[in-house]
Formats: sequence, structure tokens, C-alpha cells
Amino acid sequence: GAVVSQHPSRVICKSGTSVKIECRSLDFQATTMFWYRQFPKQSLMLMATSNEGSKATYEQGVEKDKFLINHASLTLSTLTVTSAHPEDSSFYICSASVQRGLQEQFFGPGTRLTVL
Amino acid sequence: AQSVSQHNHHVILSEAASLELGCNYSYGGTVNLFWYVQYPGQHLQLLLKYFSGDPLVKGIKGFEAEFIKSKFSFNLRKPSVQWSDTAEYFCAVRFSGNTPLVFGKGTRLSVIA
Repeated sequence: GAVVSQHPSRVICKSGTSVKIECRSLDFQATTMFWYRQFPKQSLMLMATSNEGSKATYEQGVEKDKFLINHASLTLSTLTVTSAHPEDSSFYICSASVQRGLQEQFFGPGTRLTVL
Repeated sequence: AQSVSQHNHHVILSEAASLELGCNYSYGGTVNLFWYVQYPGQHLQLLLKYFSGDPLVKGIKGFEAEFIKSKFSFNLRKPSVQWSDTAEYFCAVRFSGNTPLVFGKGTRLSVIA
């Protein structure tokens, strides 16, 4: 159990366009979802935390108007990269959290975004 | 600020050598500790985790880690590495409550024949 999926797994887009990435918890309801960004050969950096039905909390330095996060249900969160630029090219990883006594955080497979 | 440090950026070992990867975290009270592995081109997989109890934790693929509270450390070990262990290893810490994991910078392990 505790499977997290992401779609798409890979996307290439032109500069200036917007890209939406979906994150789903397949077999559990996620009270909280997290979005991370991973640059090549670097660690995961937390971008934002979202709770179902409320606004996301963004980490310092992350533009909320550029990285729109919607957590519409307990099984779905979306990250939209608006007006994408080449420097937004990265690996985006979502994580879903469930409180089962102790909180556990499960990771999706990631989405590789390339902006041309 | 709460932080996680992994001392080794890149470790190169021969097959059958023993492995120890360091992980230290800044003080933050009760913590939950994790080690993840990321094989080339693949997503993160949980190797092991520590929440409480026995500070020596055994995980998958023969890995183990020891939580030493006095040293704020959670080092990962494996007695005998294999070529297939070549991957990036990340230490992660939850510092409190329902907060997200904070990751170390990762250690790249290369195992050579």
C-alpha cells in the first residue's frame, strides 16, 4: 500500500507555456502533500506544503505565483509551473503524508520537466 | 535553522568492501530519521527509518543504521557492498510533528568490480 503516482513522468515544453503536474495518492487519503524540486546531482529541496482544502505554504524563495499548487481532494494535488523558463527545468517530486499513528511520507516517482 | 549534513559527497568502493555513510542533523528535540536510495534514473526508495525504540535499525537490501542521540547522528552501514548498490543515498530528518522531511545533500556511492 501507500503508492503515490505522478503524471506526466516527463514533459518538454516551450518557454512561456504552463505545465501542470499531477500527484495522486492511489490507495490512501493524504492529509498533506509536499512538492520537492531536485536539480541534477543535488538533493531534494522542499518547495511547498499543501493541505487539502487550504492554501499551500511555500518555502522561502519559492514564487507562489509561478508555482501554483492546488490540493483539491485528499488524493490529488497539482503543481502548475506558469510561464515556464529554461531555468525551471528540473525534477519535480511530490510526496504524500498520512497520519497512521506516526506520520509517514511516501514519494512519487517524479516528473522530469525540460523547458526549451 | 534545522539542517541535515552528509559528510561524504562521493564514495567509491570495491565490491565486498564495507560501507558507512555519515549523517548528522542539527538539534531539534525528538526526530524521525530516514535513509532513502535513488538508483540512476529511478525514484526515491525508502531503505530504513527510525521513529523510536532500538537505535539499531535494519532495512532492506542488507542496510542498517544506528541512531546515536548524543552525537545527533544516523549513519548508514552495509557490511559488504555489491555493484548493484551504486546509487545516490539521502539521509532525511523530520524535526517535529507533521513537518516535511529535510534532506541532506546526498552521497553518491560508486561500487566497482
